[in-house]
Amino acid sequence: AQRVTQPEKLLSVFKGAPVELKCNYSYSGSPELFWYVQYSRQRLQLLLRHISRESIKGFTADLNKGETSFHLKKPFAQEEDSAMYYCAPPDSWGKLQFGAGTQVVVTP
Amino acid sequence: EAGVTQSPTHLIKTRGQQATLRCSPISGHTSVYWYQQALGLGLQFLLWYDEGEERNRGNFPPRFSGRQFPNYSSELNVNALELEDSTLYLCASSLGVGSNQPQHFGDGTRLSIL
Repeated sequence: AQRVTQPEKLLSVFKGAPVELKCNYSYSGSPELFWYVQYSRQRLQLLLRHISRESIKGFTADLNKGETSFHLKKPFAQEEDSAMYYCAPPDSWGKLQFGAGTQVVVTP
Repeated sequence: EAGVTQSPTHLIKTRGQQATLRCSPISGHTSVYWYQQALGLGLQFLLWYDEGEERNRGNFPPRFSGRQFPNYSSELNVNALELEDSTLYLCASSLGVGSNQPQHFGDGTRLSIL
């Protein structure tokens, strides 16, 4: 079965520190990958897409095809980055498959 | 541009009843997806419709079903409701088949089973 693994359920960082969220996936047939974010009491929204390099809030993601990883990074975390983050690569059907999510808590 | 809209916001049912959840996609989007979002479990994929056809189905029992209408809106039907069905149901839409299409989400319908 195709899988998306986000190994960290919870990531706690200090404001101003770098943050990295890990994502590994098993199906590598598509060049496009996504990260989604869900802030408290808001709908799930697109954070970043790989091919177009579209991103909000200063996040970047590095695609490593050899390791089939697509880790999300930000050099200086802000309190407003506290949210739930989902890695979402496409599966062999062409639809997105979502990881279990990583809860990020940024403390002042 | 209007986003994905879901109705109702909250639905209260009792065990054994049927629930119908509705979703209107973004204008121009032909694909609609349904998910369960349970606390601690992330998004569990339920169903995917495109151009009126069921494209893919997640690992859920047959009492979870749905359809897509000619205007691309969609319904999710849950029969013989069980207590464990109490959770948030999300709908998303995209421009159609193709792995380069991001999904856009609605606010969800919270289903509560008494």
